[in-house]
Amino acid sequence: AQSVSQHNHHVILSEAASLELGCNYSYGGTVNLFWYVQYPGQHLQLLLKYFSGDPLVKGIKGFEAEFIKSKFSFNLRKPSVQWSDTAEYFCAVNALSGTYKYIFGTGTRLKVLA
Amino acid sequence: DTGVSQNPRHKITKRGQNVTFRCDPISEHNRLYWYRQTLGQGPEFLTYFQNEAQLEKSRLLSDRFSAERPKGSFSTLEIQRTEQGDSAMYLCASSPELTTEAFFGQGTRLTVV
Repeated sequence: AQSVSQHNHHVILSEAASLELGCNYSYGGTVNLFWYVQYPGQHLQLLLKYFSGDPLVKGIKGFEAEFIKSKFSFNLRKPSVQWSDTAEYFCAVNALSGTYKYIFGTGTRLKVLA
Repeated sequence: DTGVSQNPRHKITKRGQNVTFRCDPISEHNRLYWYRQTLGQGPEFLTYFQNEAQLEKSRLLSDRFSAERPKGSFSTLEIQRTEQGDSAMYLCASSPELTTEAFFGQGTRLTVV
């Protein structure tokens, strides 16, 4: 069965600090990979996605993620966080065969201190 | 607003009552998903429609839950004989095809008292 693991449940950073959130997935086939963000009181929004090609993908608001196939990982990074990045971040996978559902990790709650 | 629309936004119900939620996906999105999210957890898959066909239902889902998508447009999720454990945020998402992201609605927050 597919699964997604996010290792950091709560992260607290000061503004301008660098961010890296871990995500590992379990699935033997080809997948699409996503990072979603949920700001307080808002709906889930796409941050970035990987389908194929360059394993380093850039998303909105200066976020990027690197797909490492050998490690089944898709870690999210941002060189310098801002107070407005305070939110919950979810990694998700979507298999390209069989079931088409999106499987989410448990999320990482990020708090950025001004 | 052409995003995914869910109604109602909030629902408080007494244990044992039935509730129904509605989701209007983005126009022409043929795939529709229902998820449930509780505090501190990621969205948990409930069921998936491609057009009007319900192609997958979570094995963890009680038979008190049923979903429909008549004519492949809006969808409804019904919970019969609600229990306190059903209290959660119920999310709807849609996508136009497989190789793209899912677009989420604001969700319906259910509280069973």
